[in-house]
Amino acid sequence: DVKVTQSSRYLVKRTGEKVFLECVQDMDHENMFWYRQDPGLGLRLIYFSYDVKMKEKGDIPEGYSVSREKKERFSLILESASTNQTSMYLCASSVGTRDNQPQHFGDGTRLSIL
Amino acid sequence: TQLLEQSPQFLSIQEGENLTVYCNSSSVFSSLQWYRQEPGEGPVLLVTVVTGGEVKKLKRLTFQFGDARKDSSLHITAAQPGDTGLYLCAGARSPGTYKYIFGTGTRLKVLA
Repeated sequence: DVKVTQSSRYLVKRTGEKVFLECVQDMDHENMFWYRQDPGLGLRLIYFSYDVKMKEKGDIPEGYSVSREKKERFSLILESASTNQTSMYLCASSVGTRDNQPQHFGDGTRLSIL
Repeated sequence: TQLLEQSPQFLSIQEGENLTVYCNSSSVFSSLQWYRQEPGEGPVLLVTVVTGGEVKKLKRLTFQFGDARKDSSLHITAAQPGDTGLYLCAGARSPGTYKYIFGTGTRLKVLA
């Protein structure tokens, strides 16, 4: 079974802090994704990576950056946290060599910015 | 911007009832996936539909992709408490893409 592990289930940070969210997958998947989930808005894509050191902006990249130095690890960085970044953050991975593959999600990190 | 609207947003029903959840867009999608998310967990894929008009069944769940590939529905027969969760549709923006746009979600609660 694919396992996507997010480093923290709950995180509380202060406005202006630099915040790192870590995600690791164990199935050698090419693609990795970061989403934020807010009530009534579904999942919105922040960033996507299709290979090591490769990244694409999603729909809401402002205020975020990402790092993928190794295939199994994809990090989301909040450069200067703000209260409107309080949300549930979900990481996912998928096979990159075939269409219509499922995305495998971690259990999420609930981030609160005070 | 492609949008996927799901309806209803919330649904609370008694065990044994039938229900249908809708996923609608003005845009065409090359394929569409349905996920279920339980509290404290990430979404888990239920099904992928690719062809316009396609119908897939997963036990008591029936998924249909609209003929024009702009909409989809999920029908649950004889709902059970174990069906409780957040149902999300996700459309592939174009063939060969690995990026999906997710719907707004339908939160279902099935009461015993």
